[in-house]
Amino acid sequence: GAVVSQHPSWVICKSGTSVKIECRSLDFQATTMFWYRQFPKQSLMLMATSNEGSKATYEQGVEKDKFLINHASLTLSTLTVTSAHPEDSSFYICSARVAGGGNTGELFFGEGSRLTVL
Amino acid sequence: AQKVTQAQTEISVVEKEDVTLDCVYETRDTTYYLFWYKQPPSGELVFLIRRNSFDEQNEISGRYSWNFQKSTSSFNFTITASQVVDSAVYFCALSERGRGSTLGRLYFGRGTQLTVWP
Repeated sequence: GAVVSQHPSWVICKSGTSVKIECRSLDFQATTMFWYRQFPKQSLMLMATSNEGSKATYEQGVEKDKFLINHASLTLSTLTVTSAHPEDSSFYICSARVAGGGNTGELFFGEGSRLTVL
Repeated sequence: AQKVTQAQTEISVVEKEDVTLDCVYETRDTTYYLFWYKQPPSGELVFLIRRNSFDEQNEISGRYSWNFQKSTSSFNFTITASQVVDSAVYFCALSERGRGSTLGRLYFGRGTQLTVWP
């Protein structure tokens, strides 16, 4: 199946710094990417939908100024956690939808990025 | 309202036992997709199955089988002769195709932690 790569897979940072997480579709083009957040022993909650070349659509309650999403190309979306605080510590997972795939379920998930803010 | 309900938070079985993970969903759309994912301790999501709303045939893949019943809005997952390696969190998810929905967005259940003891 298609491959979605996330980087870094884990990161530890100091409170107040910004962290960028990359999500790349390695062997297909993705017009839409989704960013999910997962707290320990919790479900995955959608944070935002990222469309190539346009602004991301954020879910209710997600601060767009804190979680900056950029989808500059058909193979790369980035999530930047700005001025990170300990409560931002979480597991972040991206998924990518194959361009032209409609809603047929052709979704592929990255390996996830575990962020720990000290 | 929760679109996907996984009532079983944790299940423990002994190796070789059969186990069924329940999933109940809620949608007004006539076209939708149901998924099961496995999340081992490493964190990545492993795709197990996708089923569209028009296909109610049960599916079997090795030790895994799925029972899709639209009449009860359920999509249950059974592991036959469970093994220790099956220990993981299993998520059921729904993707809708209705107007206004974000194509490809998944609604996840809270997950069921399955522990298989040797």
